[in-house]
Amino acid sequence: GAVVSQHPSRVICKSGTSVKIECRSLDFQATTMFWYRQFPKQSLMLMATSNEGSKATYEQGVEKDKFLINHASLTLSTLTVTSAHPEDSSFYICSARWLAGGPLFFGPGTRLTVL
Amino acid sequence: SQELEQSPQSLIVQEGKNLTINCTSSKTLYGLYWYKQKYGEGLIFLMMLQKGGEEKSHEKITAKLDEKKQQSSLHITASQPSHAGIYLCGADDSGGSNYKLTFGKGTLLTVNP
Repeated sequence: GAVVSQHPSRVICKSGTSVKIECRSLDFQATTMFWYRQFPKQSLMLMATSNEGSKATYEQGVEKDKFLINHASLTLSTLTVTSAHPEDSSFYICSARWLAGGPLFFGPGTRLTVL
Repeated sequence: SQELEQSPQSLIVQEGKNLTINCTSSKTLYGLYWYKQKYGEGLIFLMMLQKGGEEKSHEKITAKLDEKKQQSSLHITASQPSHAGIYLCGADDSGGSNYKLTFGKGTLLTVNP
């Protein structure tokens, strides 16, 4: 159990376009999912907390109009990078908690490259 | 917010050798999590520690949390090439409500055959 999937695994897009990344909990329901971003040779930076049925909570310095999060069901959260620019190129990873008080389980990540 | 310092930043060992990775916090840790990551992939959960003095083992990996709950160590016995990767410690940043995790910068482990 506790499998989290992401789609796509890799995406290359042109500057100015929008990209949607999906995060799914495959065998459990997740009222809360977390979106992280990772630059090469750096740690994970929490971007936002995705809450099912309500607005996401963004970390300081993260533009909510730039990174749109939708958590429409208990098994799906989406992150849309709007009007992407080369500086948005990064590795995006989502996570969810299977059990209250338990660890976070992470998806395999999405490598975004903006040309 | 929580700041986690990991040491060393990178480590190269010969297969069969033991090694230790450390994770130190500036604040009391309500929950400490160890993960392993291969480059360009997601994180694999290893162990979770919550009580002062707690120690857990899985196969050849042992993790400990000190009594003061501000430092954790990950010890690998008789390392193998399959142990290679980036080891990350993460801490509950919410005062114990198990909400979101903050991560250290990671330790890159290379195991030479």
